[in-house]
Amino acid sequence: KQEVTQIPAALSVPEGENLVLNCSFTDSAIYNLQWFRQDPGKGLTSLLLIQSSQREQTSGRLNASLDKSSGRSTLYIAASQPGDSATYLCAVLTGANNLFFGTGTRLTVIP
Amino acid sequence: KAGVTQTPRYLIKTRGQQVTLSCSPISGHRSVSWYQQTPGQGLQFLFEYFSETQRNKGNFPGRFSGRQFSNSRSEMNVSTLELGDSALYLCASSLQIGTGGDTQYFGPGTRLTVL
Repeated sequence: KQEVTQIPAALSVPEGENLVLNCSFTDSAIYNLQWFRQDPGKGLTSLLLIQSSQREQTSGRLNASLDKSSGRSTLYIAASQPGDSATYLCAVLTGANNLFFGTGTRLTVIP
Repeated sequence: KAGVTQTPRYLIKTRGQQVTLSCSPISGHRSVSWYQQTPGQGLQFLFEYFSETQRNKGNFPGRFSGRQFSNSRSEMNVSTLELGDSALYLCASSLQIGTGGDTQYFGPGTRLTVL
């Protein structure tokens, strides 16, 4: 069974700092990997999607990488801002549209 | 284009009752998936519907069921509610014009509280 782990569980950084969130998965047979953001009590916002054949994706200050063979992905956030404070979830797509989620990293950016 | 909508947003029920949640996907999207989010278990896949057929199912008891209509709108039903069913229920839609790999777009969720 696919298992997705995210480290660290929580992270607190001062504004302006660059940071890296980590995601690992046990089964490399995936279609894609997505990074989501979730604000308290809200739904999920898709940030980046990396297809299994890709190595990385970029959107603004966000960069996600994927090493499928080693079962790892990182989300890099440059020049963090207080508005980046949220829980970040990674999820891998396996089988027919079944997303397996990690437990998330709760990020706090201190002004 | 309107996003994924879910109704109701909040719901309070008592043990033993049943509940129906609704999800309207993004226009043109054919696949709807349902997820349960709890503090203890995180986000877990419930089931996925495509063209009115359940295509995939997670590891949940038979009290959890769903359906999809011809306009791709979906409902999920939970019968004989238990305290542990209290959760945020999220629905996601995707195009699914191929074999997979599409971005899933999530709705705001329905917060169910079972007393």
